[in-house]
Amino acid sequence: KQEVTQIPAALSVPEGENLVLNCSFTDSAIYNLQWFRQDPGKGLTSLLLIQSSQREQTSGRLNASLDKSSGRSTLYIAASQPGDSATYLCAVRRDFGNEKLTFGTGTRLTIIP
Amino acid sequence: DGGITQSPKYLFRKEGQNVTLSCEQNLNHDAMYWYRQDPGQGLRLIYYSQIVNDFQKGDIAEGYSVSREKKESFPLTVTSAQKNPTAFYLCASSRQNTEAFFGQGTRLTVV
Repeated sequence: KQEVTQIPAALSVPEGENLVLNCSFTDSAIYNLQWFRQDPGKGLTSLLLIQSSQREQTSGRLNASLDKSSGRSTLYIAASQPGDSATYLCAVRRDFGNEKLTFGTGTRLTIIP
Repeated sequence: DGGITQSPKYLFRKEGQNVTLSCEQNLNHDAMYWYRQDPGQGLRLIYYSQIVNDFQKGDIAEGYSVSREKKESFPLTVTSAQKNPTAFYLCASSRQNTEAFFGQGTRLTVV
């Protein structure tokens, strides 16, 4: 059974710093991995989708990397801003044709002005 | 605007009542999902559907039911058999094996 872990559960950093969020998964046979952010009381907003054949994806100040063999993904946020404060979740899809997404428990990020 | 619409935003259920949460999408996505989110826990899959008139149980399907009569709609019924229904419910959709998009959620409270 696939298990997805995100450590730490919470992180606080001063504004302007670069930071890395971690996502680990136990079964390396994944099709793709997706990063989301969630603001309090809201739904999830998709940030980046990275296919198993890719090593990284970039969108603005965000960069996601994927190392299937080690079961790890990282989300790098450059020049953090207070608006980046949210909970960040990763989810993996096991294989093509299997629509099920398995989520981590998230990292709650606070950017200190 | 294209997207996923969940309604209502807040829902209150009395003991023993069935309630239905609505989820509609106009993204022309084949797959739709229902997740439950509890404080301190990750999202847990209740049901998902890859095609009209077909759906599969997720990890916590007991006490829930769904239907998929139209591509755009995937309503979730929380039955009286669900003993602890208070939670935040999230609906999502995706094209096959691609990026998933979520609605804004329905917060269900038992009163």
